[in-house]
Amino acid sequence: AQSVTQPDIHITVSEGASLELRCNYSYGATPYLFWYVQSPGQGLQLLLKYFSGDTLVQGIKGFEAEFKRSQSSFNLRKPSVHWSDAAEYFCGLKAAGNKLTFGGGTRVLVKP
Amino acid sequence: DGGITQSPKYLFRKEGQNVTLSCEQNLNHDAMYWYRQDPGQGLRLIYYSQIVNDFQKGDIAEGYSVSREKKESFPLTVTSAQKNPTAFYLCASSSSTSGVQETQYFGPGTRLLVL
Repeated sequence: AQSVTQPDIHITVSEGASLELRCNYSYGATPYLFWYVQSPGQGLQLLLKYFSGDTLVQGIKGFEAEFKRSQSSFNLRKPSVHWSDAAEYFCGLKAAGNKLTFGGGTRVLVKP
Repeated sequence: DGGITQSPKYLFRKEGQNVTLSCEQNLNHDAMYWYRQDPGQGLRLIYYSQIVNDFQKGDIAEGYSVSREKKESFPLTVTSAQKNPTAFYLCASSSSTSGVQETQYFGPGTRLLVL
């Protein structure tokens, strides 16, 4: 069975600083990986996805993620955080059978 | 504009009452999903449907029921058997479930509270 772990429940970052959110997965075959963002009280918006090919994936809002098979990781990064990036971020894995499994989420707080 | 709509935004349930959450999409997607979100637990799959008049249980289907009479609609009923229904409910859709590369798109959610 597949699983996704986001080790950091909360992260606080200063505006303008860089951000990295960790995502580790467990799955025996090729994973299809996603990052979504959720603003308070809202639905989830897709930031980026990895299916195959280049392991560095560019997404919307200046985010990127790097797939590292050897580390079973798919970490999300942004070079310079804006106050509007304060939200909860979810990593997801889609496996055979099309089940989408989510991590527990990381809440990002941005300090002025 | 194409998208997924959920209504109502907030819903209150009395003890022993069944309530129905609406989900509508105009994306012409074949597959639709219902998730439950609780703080610190991410999203858990309740039910999903690949085509009209067909649906499957997800990880936490007990106390819930669904129907899929139309392609664009996938209502979720929270029955009185669901003892802890307070949560944020998210509906999603994708063009199909036949390919693992299909991306799911989410609605704005409904928050259910028990009185």
